Amino acid sequence: GESVGLHLPTLSVQEGDNSIINCAYSNSASDYFIWYKQESGKGPQFIIDIRSNMDKRQGQRVTVLLNKTVKHLSLQIAATQPGDSAVYFCAEKNTGGFKTIFGAGTRLFVKA
Amino acid sequence: GAGVSQSPRYKVAKRGQDVALRCDPISGHVSLFWYQQALGQGPEFLTYFQNEAQLDKSGLPSDRFFAERPEGSVSTLKIQRTQQEDSAVYLCATSQQGITGELFFGEGSRLTVL
Repeated sequence: GESVGLHLPTLSVQEGDNSIINCAYSNSASDYFIWYKQESGKGPQFIIDIRSNMDKRQGQRVTVLLNKTVKHLSLQIAATQPGDSAVYFCAEKNTGGFKTIFGAGTRLFVKA
Repeated sequence: GAGVSQSPRYKVAKRGQDVALRCDPISGHVSLFWYQQALGQGPEFLTYFQNEAQLDKSGLPSDRFFAERPEGSVSTLKIQRTQQEDSAVYLCATSQQGITGELFFGEGSRLTVL
């Protein structure tokens, strides 16, 4: 069935270092991928997205990489800050449909 | 409003009670979703509305769960005869009509069933 999973449940990085959060997906029909950030007590917040016709997309301090060959997605955060501490979810969607499917999440800890 | 508003933020119910959770969407957002998030897990899809039409309710765990959006704006998720396994955060998300469909989430309603 459809599933979106993550390689690591937790990630701890030093403030100022770069963070890489990985995600594997299994539904070949998915053609739109999104990263969400969820802080404690809040709902998930959109960070960045990428369509399947792209390999890389950059935002402010964040980059998403998509490798369709191995069905792998990653989120890179440059110069990680304490405010980046949160749970990060990758999610997938078929643009012909409406349902967004979320993975289990990776908790990012930023050490000062 | 400026964002998706959910109420109540916290609800404690005794097993067997009925609960109703409300979602006020961003004005003009056609699509509305309900998700269930268990502790330490990602959001799980429950149901989807396009305006007032419920187009998918395949994620509702049982017939004790019911959702409505009668006028295509405010939505209510109702859980009858609550059970302990219903304890979770219930998230409402809305989106504009479009190909990508970025979801805008509310802060959720945390339900605890004793």
